[in-house]
Amino acid sequence: EDQVTQSPEALRLQEGESSSLNCSYTVSGLRGLFWYRQDPGKGPEFLFTLYSAGEEKEKERLKATLTKKESFLHITAPKPEDSATYLCAVQVADSNYQLIWGAGTKLIIKP
Amino acid sequence: DAGVIQSPRHEVTEMGQEVTLRCKPISGHDYLFWYRQTMMRGLELLIYFNNNVPIDDSGMPEDRFSAKMPNASFSTLKIQPSEPRDSAVYFCASSPQHRPYNEQFFGPGTRLTVL
Repeated sequence: EDQVTQSPEALRLQEGESSSLNCSYTVSGLRGLFWYRQDPGKGPEFLFTLYSAGEEKEKERLKATLTKKESFLHITAPKPEDSATYLCAVQVADSNYQLIWGAGTKLIIKP
Repeated sequence: DAGVIQSPRHEVTEMGQEVTLRCKPISGHDYLFWYRQTMMRGLELLIYFNNNVPIDDSGMPEDRFSAKMPNASFSTLKIQPSEPRDSAVYFCASSPQHRPYNEQFFGPGTRLTVL
């Protein structure tokens, strides 16, 4: 069964304390892996798409990487405004446009 | 562009009542998706449209749920009759034709509470 698992469920960091969020997946074939950010009371906001192992993408303090079994979202020197829930989703090859979503990691950055 | 627009933002109704949620996708986007989000089940795709045609409704939980897209700028998700277990946040998202495997642009959601 295709599955996406995110860890940890929640992460509290001090401002400036770098860390990583994990998204592991078991799918029959990967078409793409997506990272989204969701703020309370809002819809998810797209961050990155990764297509193949070894690929990396960066945006401000965020860097996403992909291996054959998992993806990491690295957060460097985070600020309080980086606090949000980060969602990972996978699109399976030879499927329709349905995304398989992880449960998310709630990130809290304390000033 | 104003982004994906959803209405109402909040809906409180009694069990057994009909509920209609509305969505206006981003102009020029050919794909429209309806999602439901709960603490227990996370984000679930209910149905998606391409060029106003429903392509996959396998995520619609049961016959009480129906969705339409009469034109490129409007879609509705209807629940009739509503039940307390339908309480959730419902999101609409859209995506351009040439990038369906890339980002989906989400609306702000409708928080539905069925009493």
